[in-house]
Amino acid sequence: ILNVEQSPQSLHVQEGDSTNFTCSFPSSNFYALHWYRWETAKSPEALFVMTLNGDEKKKGRISATLNTKEGYSYLYIKGSQPEDSATYLCAPYMSPMNNNAGNMLTFGGGTRLMVKP
Amino acid sequence: SAVISQKPSRDICQRGTSLTIQCQVDSQVTMMFWYRQQPGQSLTLIATANQGSEATYESGFVIDKFPISRPNLTFSTLTVSNMSPEDSSIYLCSVKRQGGIYEQYFGPGTRLTVT
Repeated sequence: ILNVEQSPQSLHVQEGDSTNFTCSFPSSNFYALHWYRWETAKSPEALFVMTLNGDEKKKGRISATLNTKEGYSYLYIKGSQPEDSATYLCAPYMSPMNNNAGNMLTFGGGTRLMVKP
Repeated sequence: SAVISQKPSRDICQRGTSLTIQCQVDSQVTMMFWYRQQPGQSLTLIATANQGSEATYESGFVIDKFPISRPNLTFSTLTVSNMSPEDSSIYLCSVKRQGGIYEQYFGPGTRLTVT
């Protein structure tokens, strides 16, 4: 079973603040990292799939970086808005050669972000 | 992407009963999965739904408790059998067009409360 940790568990920020949170995962047998955003009563929405060490991806005000050697990824939100309020999930996808974990995403516990107007 | 619908969206059930959750995808997909999220916990994979054969269950989940059907490439059902309050969770259907690192898409979930 993979150990995937996200911190903080929850975060309250004011509208306009920039924020970031962390996903840490085992660095061995790493294949890819998925980030999802999950609003209450909606489907989890795929944000990024990242594979390369040093990779940086951006979607509007949200960006993410990846360090596969030390096993962590940061998600950044610039100028948070109330509509950014959601739970942000990361999920590493390990090498398919690892039969115990190669066929599924292992999710972290998520970071619940609440943006106050 | 893929558009996924689930029925029911929520339900409140009595202990000892069973509930079948349906998942419908707008196009054929190779892989379908069922996840659950218990209160305060991570999303956990229950099983991979295999078309035309028995589902592949993850450790801690068994067919008698969570029977799964997948009659074709666009539809699957998950039954939660002999429910107890510990089964209160959000159950999500998820699909992937092919293996590997590609994006995985989720349905809106079924929020189940067992009393």
